[in-house]
Parts: sequence; structure tokens; C-alpha cells
Amino acid sequence: AQTVTQSQPEMSVQEAETVTLSCTYDTSESDYYLFWYKQPPSRQMILVIRQEAYKQQNATENRFSVNFQKAAKSFSLKISDSQLGDAAMYFCAYRTTYKYIFGTGTRLKVLA
Amino acid sequence: DAGVIQSPRHEVTEMGQEVTLRCKPISGHDYLFWYRQTMMRGLELLIYFNNNVPIDDSGMPEDRFSAKMPNASFSTLKIQPSEPRDSAVYFCASSFAGGGGGETQYFGPGTRLLVL
Repeated sequence: AQTVTQSQPEMSVQEAETVTLSCTYDTSESDYYLFWYKQPPSRQMILVIRQEAYKQQNATENRFSVNFQKAAKSFSLKISDSQLGDAAMYFCAYRTTYKYIFGTGTRLKVLA
Repeated sequence: DAGVIQSPRHEVTEMGQEVTLRCKPISGHDYLFWYRQTMMRGLELLIYFNNNVPIDDSGMPEDRFSAKMPNASFSTLKIQPSEPRDSAVYFCASSFAGGGGGETQYFGPGTRLLVL
């Protein structure tokens, strides 16, 4: 069965600095999608970035980028120029068929 | 589009009462998902529908939980009778299979349920 592991329950970063959140997954499939979602205190789940497994190029969305290592089954999220509004829970997710499997989340604190 | 709409946003009820949570997916989406989020268990998929048909309800915790999707624009999750351990945030999400974006799920704002 597929699993998603986020080994960092909490991370802190200084405003304007860069932080990387880790995610590993386990699967026997070759074609799949990976996602990072952000959940601020409002509890709304917001899509941050998406990566197709068949693409070698790492996805980027403005200040957010991923380091996708398919062989290592690793999918980390890098946030550059961190802002106070980035403070939230971040969830890594793996999509199999139409079901998502979520990690347990990493709480990101941004220090002014 | 207004996004996924859920109601109510907050619900406080007493143990034993029936609770009904509502969801309106994004227009044109053909998949609808119900999740439950708690501190202890994280984000759990309860059930999902495709074209209004329940596909996988293996995550529904017990018979007290039921979900329906009478049409493409409306779904309900019902808990009867409710228990304190059902207290959680319940999310509805929808996606479009032909979207070409990995069937990204878009989440509603959630319903925070507290059962006393």
C-alpha cells in the first residue's frame, strides 16, 4: 500500500529566508501525481504545487519549488523568501487512481 | 467559480443528535470526496463519488455515518446518532477527471463539528 511520510512535525524559518520541507512516499506504481497543500489557521486546504511523476523537470510556482527524486521516492518543498503569510501546516499528498493519501503534515513557523 | 461550498461552517450538537453536513462541488467536477481531519488521525478519506455514484466508502467509520449525492451539485454527509468522538473538521473536495492537471482536488472551507 502507498504511504506518505513527513518526518518533520514542525519547522521554523526567518522571514525572507529559505526553508525546505521533506516528504517521502512508498509506492510500486510508476505513474502518479504528488501535491503539496497548505492549511493556514483558517483550516482551508490550499493547493501549493503539483508534480507529475513522468516529468523529470521539477515544478515551480513563484516562490515555491519542489525537488522531486523519483528513484529515492522523495518530494521536498522549498519555500524561498519566506513571508509571514507562509505560516501554516503543509501536507504532502500522493494521488493513486482518484484517491489521495496525505502525510501527517509539517507545521511551518515564520519568524519576523 | 465560487469554489467548493460547505455548510454549516460550524456545528455544535449534543451526543445522540443527528448531524447533516452539506457540500456543493465546483460546477463541472465529476468527483466528490468527503474527508475528516482530527489531531489524532490526521486527514482521512471517508468516501468518494464519481458522477454521483459512491465508489469507495471503505473509510466510513461505522454505520452511523452515511453519505449521499442525489445530483451533481449537492452531497450530504450524515451522522446519526452523533458521538463526542465524531468531533472533527469535515472537508468536502471535488475534482475533474478530464482536467489534465492530475485531477487536482479542490477543498471546501470545512465544517467544524463539536459533539458535546
